[in-house]
Amino acid sequence: RKEVEQDPGPFNVPEGATVAFNCTYSNSASQSFFWYRQDCRKEPKLLMSVYSSGNEDGRFTAQLNRASQYISLLIRDSKLSDSATYLCVVNFYYNQGGKLIFGQGTELSVKP
Amino acid sequence: DAGVTQSPTHLIKTRGQQVTLRCSPKSGHDTVSWYQQALGQGPQFIFQYYEEEERQRGNFPDRFSGHQFPNYSSELNVNALLLGDSALYLCASSLARLAADTGELFFGEGSRLTVL
Repeated sequence: RKEVEQDPGPFNVPEGATVAFNCTYSNSASQSFFWYRQDCRKEPKLLMSVYSSGNEDGRFTAQLNRASQYISLLIRDSKLSDSATYLCVVNFYYNQGGKLIFGQGTELSVKP
Repeated sequence: DAGVTQSPTHLIKTRGQQVTLRCSPKSGHDTVSWYQQALGQGPQFIFQYYEEEERQRGNFPDRFSGHQFPNYSSELNVNALLLGDSALYLCASSLARLAADTGELFFGEGSRLTVL
């Protein structure tokens, strides 16, 4: 079983749509969680952190369910510029530091 | 303020050869992590260097080795190249005392390795 699993998609949605991505992780000792965005042939960049209480950044809402080991990202009012691959990331933290483990990514394509 | 820089950007090798990839972290960062990203996949964690030592390692064979220098720059070495080693190799830098909380890694643009 992979440490971090995502639905690879692709998700093809029209502009203005609401789209949700899901992610599960296997290590219950994981301490912190994030969503990264990767544009085609570019490097990944941090989109937002994910907190147990849920957090929102504009059109983006992230949620964490520790009991189910589940993370989600909701994008409202999709824009063409949201087209990218969204990577679920989990920090597996050990005594000497953490390592960020990435899911395989979910591809989003927003169409006019 | 220079970000993370990697070299070379592209290279082609043949099976059995060895390759060295280089990375300069973002100014002020002390930790370097290396990732392998195959086409259509997410980045796979190879290892992480801090204070010139390998601190964390992913599920990669010993053919993959690395080094961190006193100026925090880093190298990734891969010996006895296989066709399956063809991928984008990403270097990411961070500040050790913040990374666990912020989760923010700053990535370079990567070195694209093709093994023939």
